[in-house]
Amino acid sequence: EVQLLESGGGLVQPGGSLRLSCAASAFTFSNYAMSWVRQAPGKGLEWVSSISANGGATYYADSVKGRFTISRDNSKNTLYVQMNSLRAEDTAIYYCAKSQRATVTTWDWFDPWGQGTLVTVSS
Amino acid sequence: QSVLTQPPSASGTPGQRVTISCSGSSSNIGTNTVNWYQQLPGTAPKLLIYSNNQRPSGVPDRFSGSKSGTSASLAISGLQSEDEADYYCATWDDSLNAWVFGGGTKLTVL
Repeated sequence: EVQLLESGGGLVQPGGSLRLSCAASAFTFSNYAMSWVRQAPGKGLEWVSSISANGGATYYADSVKGRFTISRDNSKNTLYVQMNSLRAEDTAIYYCAKSQRATVTTWDWFDPWGQGTLVTVSS
Repeated sequence: QSVLTQPPSASGTPGQRVTISCSGSSSNIGTNTVNWYQQLPGTAPKLLIYSNNQRPSGVPDRFSGSKSGTSASLAISGLQSEDEADYYCATWDDSLNAWVFGGGTKLTVL
């Protein structure tokens, strides 16, 4: 069964940094694009970033562009997001999700999702 | 303000049929396929419908999706108590070059 396990969340001060990881198993990680989606407390889902299977193409929501960097290590079956200059509005549960294709395309969907990791930005 | 517009809430009694709408524009729903996700209380989202109207294996055929123009709909027939959840539509937006979600619809089974 495909599994995604996020880690790295926690409490961080405004302006601080945090790196989240997503460990993948039971599928050929290097063949699929991956994404991060977040959900602020009591709010809806917000796409954060996506990366192609080989890491050569990355996409970001305007709300995180220039502050977050998505990356992957296909030898370790792990997806990352480096989050810098964190703001209170970045407080959310961060989910990683698997795409169905190697490239980030319009004809795609997120399946499955990990269980999420909570990031709290507060002083 | 979400790019895709969903009603914040919907409700029905067991056995009823309910529909949830998702309204977008020519740069998103009008051009690309729509996916629906179900989020049960306290859990991660789960794929419910992909490519407008396709059900992943394991999703009951009580759930169906459709798309017309710049709008999409999720229909749930034979409503059950375990269907009480938040439902989100999503698609790619060609203008934003980004995935966009609806604001979510909280379904209550009365």
